[in-house]
Amino acid sequence: DSGVTQTPKHLITATGQRVTLRCSPRSGDLSVYWYQQSLDQGLQFLIQYYNGEERAKGNILERFSAQQFPDLHSELNLSSLELGDSALYFCASSVEGISLPGAGDTEAFFGQGTRLTVV
Amino acid sequence: ELKVEQNPLFLSMQEGKNYTIYCNYSTTSDRLYWYRQDPGKSLESLFVLLSNGAVKQEGRLMASLDTKARLSTLHITAAVHDLSATYFCAVDGGATNKLIFGTGTLLAVQP
Repeated sequence: DSGVTQTPKHLITATGQRVTLRCSPRSGDLSVYWYQQSLDQGLQFLIQYYNGEERAKGNILERFSAQQFPDLHSELNLSSLELGDSALYFCASSVEGISLPGAGDTEAFFGQGTRLTVV
Repeated sequence: ELKVEQNPLFLSMQEGKNYTIYCNYSTTSDRLYWYRQDPGKSLESLFVLLSNGAVKQEGRLMASLDTKARLSTLHITAAVHDLSATYFCAVDGGATNKLIFGTGTLLAVQP
């Protein structure tokens, strides 16, 4: 168990709908990362937050948004869902932002993922 | 933009054999990670490599990093069935603050 908790584990929804995925980082971790994993795209970096602020953005669609709350949990909101959004969504956390100077051997620990199926 | 490539994408090997997975990346980075993923499961951290020439070993797996060549290797010694999984390398994108993953290598160890 990595200590990173994601809910729900599975989600089935219809096209056009909106869903929220939740991530609770490991205790003490300030940084949260969201990834999308699909068969054709592999593991795609979506977005990173550090202590409540957006730190880096990847291939995140405009229909998707995220935030990190004061208690450091994070939510990923996916709206106007399409069939192609079906994927495994992972959250990861680390003590420091991985690329920060002095991050040392900081590593990112992954949650169990949320499997989203859009029908 | 940082690109990370792994090869091979698929590796079928017999128990007891040795093999190496390669991870190439396109821009300078001083930090590289290896992860393991079992089907439908999360990613498990295996190694963190921080500097040129870094070598780490855990059981039958050994990882190394050559930052000048922008290359990391994951060497498997005397493979066993339990090592069957997908292995990913991931590179710290530095100033971009991104952790970019390679394509993954699906390892199938046959008895």
